Amino acid sequence: SQTIHQWPATLVQPVGSPLSLECTVEGTSNPNLYWYRQAAGRGLQLLFYSVGIGQISSEVPQNLSASRPQDRQFILSSKKLLLSDSGFYLCAWSVSWGQARTDTQYFGPGTRLTVL
Amino acid sequence: GDSVTQMEGPVTLSEEAFLTINCTYTATGYPSLFWYVQYPGEGLQLLLKATKADDKGSNKGFEATYRKETTSFHLEKGSVQVSDSAVYFCALPIIPNTGNQFYFGTGTSLTVIP
Repeated sequence: SQTIHQWPATLVQPVGSPLSLECTVEGTSNPNLYWYRQAAGRGLQLLFYSVGIGQISSEVPQNLSASRPQDRQFILSSKKLLLSDSGFYLCAWSVSWGQARTDTQYFGPGTRLTVL
Repeated sequence: GDSVTQMEGPVTLSEEAFLTINCTYTATGYPSLFWYVQYPGEGLQLLLKATKADDKGSNKGFEATYRKETTSFHLEKGSVQVSDSAVYFCALPIIPNTGNQFYFGTGTSLTVIP
């Protein structure tokens, strides 16, 4: 069966420090991968999605970036964190178009980031 | 453009009360519709889905019927439990049948008190 991992679970970082959040998926190949942010009391905002290694699409302008160095690895990064980057970051995956047509996205447990 | 509008919360109910969380959608064509649930401190889990008009999705006592005539996908449960306390999200895919990019509603927080 497929599983999705995120780490760390919680992170407290000072303003201006770098960030690296990692997400890995097991039990499937060539998944679509997604990064979402959920600010306190708000809905989900799609930040990035990827349909393959090295292919990243950005949904909103920001100081965050994403990379996909391996098929089942998705990394969210920042060179200098802002206070407004605080939130709950969720990674998700879905079956890619080439394997089967399905709409369901499956979410990881999330990373709680607090920028002070 | 395509979107979902979800009933705002928070909602507080007593145990065994009836729950309705409203969701309406705007879409070209007939996309699949979803409800996700987020328990405190966790990621989102798929609760139920419906893939075409008049379909009823159901899981864990929750139900939602895909109604084309009212463009709605309201979530219902006949008797809520304390363990149902969570945030509920209505969602639809931006491009049907691709698993790519979802519109998520803003979420409705439910608290069930004993």
